[in-house]
Amino acid sequence: AQSVTQLGSHVSVSEGALVLLRCNYSSSVPPYLFWYVQYPNQGLQLLLKYTTGATLVKGINGFEAEFKKSETSFHLTKPSAHMSDAAEYFCAVSSNTGNQFYFGTGTSLTVIP
Amino acid sequence: EPEVTQTPSHQVTQMGQEVILRCVPISNHLYFYWYRQILGQKVEFLVSFYNNEISEKSEIFDDQFSVERPDGSNFTLKIRSTKLEDSAMYFCASRLFGVVNTEAFFGQGTRLTVV
Repeated sequence: AQSVTQLGSHVSVSEGALVLLRCNYSSSVPPYLFWYVQYPNQGLQLLLKYTTGATLVKGINGFEAEFKKSETSFHLTKPSAHMSDAAEYFCAVSSNTGNQFYFGTGTSLTVIP
Repeated sequence: EPEVTQTPSHQVTQMGQEVILRCVPISNHLYFYWYRQILGQKVEFLVSFYNNEISEKSEIFDDQFSVERPDGSNFTLKIRSTKLEDSAMYFCASRLFGVVNTEAFFGQGTRLTVV
């Protein structure tokens, strides 16, 4: 079985500060991990994904995430927050059959001017 | 850029009525999904569909729910007799088949309000 835990349902950062959104996964097989972003009243947009290979993956809008197997983590970071980054962020893991995605509960990011 | 489209964007229905939510997946995708998100809660898996049949479904997807791909392009979710607790945002998604590590592409969602 697979699952995702996102620590912190709400994160606030100042504009220009580091963004760190936490995601830990549980998987009995090598996971495929994803971060999606949801802007208000919109659908889910892929930020980045980890499949195999390099453990540090770069995504859109300056975001990146590092797969750490020893810590079962896939935390999302951005060096400098921008006002436009305010959104809901979801971490997801793909099932070993590829049939479905398991989503975390989401983290709402607020950027303070 | 190809995208998943959903209609309507917002649907209001009376309790007990049937609703059909429509989705047009990306044309070369073969795996289709429905997810729902109750306001303020996590995105929940409902059902996945491949080769004209359900491949997996969650506990939420009971006999009141059904899915169909009637014409090779549309992918619909039907709720036979809506309940107040069905009020949520419903997302359709599609994915390439055969490559497990590809992402799902999501539509903008249909906000269903049951009154």
